[in-house]
Amino acid sequence: DQQVKQNSPSLSVQEGRISILNCDYTNSMFDYFLWYKKYPAEGPTFLISISSIKDKNEDGRFTVFLNKSAKHLSLHIVPSQPGDSAVYFCAASITGTASKLTFGTGTRLQVTL
Amino acid sequence: SAVISQKPSRDICQRGTSLTIQCQVDSQVTMMFWYRQQPGQSLTLIATANQGSEATYESGFVIDKFPISRPNLTFSTLTVSNMSPEDSSIYLCSVQRPDTEAFFGQGTRLTVV
Repeated sequence: DQQVKQNSPSLSVQEGRISILNCDYTNSMFDYFLWYKKYPAEGPTFLISISSIKDKNEDGRFTVFLNKSAKHLSLHIVPSQPGDSAVYFCAASITGTASKLTFGTGTRLQVTL
Repeated sequence: SAVISQKPSRDICQRGTSLTIQCQVDSQVTMMFWYRQQPGQSLTLIATANQGSEATYESGFVIDKFPISRPNLTFSTLTVSNMSPEDSSIYLCSVQRPDTEAFFGQGTRLTVV
């Protein structure tokens, strides 16, 4: 049972344009959501997070939107840069459960020149 | 943040043998986690390792197959026992402090032949 889903395995975006990565979840107990970026041969690197009490969180070029009623979140990257090319993982957790993370399957973003 | 060193970074092992993966953190942390990423899959939590107590394993993972040690607040090991080709994965160590995000090591890429 995949509780966190990223239905797009890959995405290609032109440099300077917006990248939108999507994530859906099924467990209504999740109340904290994170995005991680992963380069080959490296561990995941934290990007941005959002608590369920918010519907938007912004950090520089990265914005995460949360729609609790739809159990959907998205990561917007504006403007996209070639260095953003990586695999992006959505993750979710339940506060108070020792911070265990449930990950999606990832979306490979390719930013082209 | 936390600097996490994992060793080895990669290994090719014969089936039936065991491999121990080490995870060293640059500062004391209470919670350490071990994840597995099978090819094309998401990251899946194997177990939570807290110093001074037995590791807590997730459904589908057992201590006999994945014994874990946590001798102090900066170090942990995960052993993959009696390996088969299905154990070929990336194994990742993760740490988390209260009210911060999880940080990951660079991972150990294991190939079982």
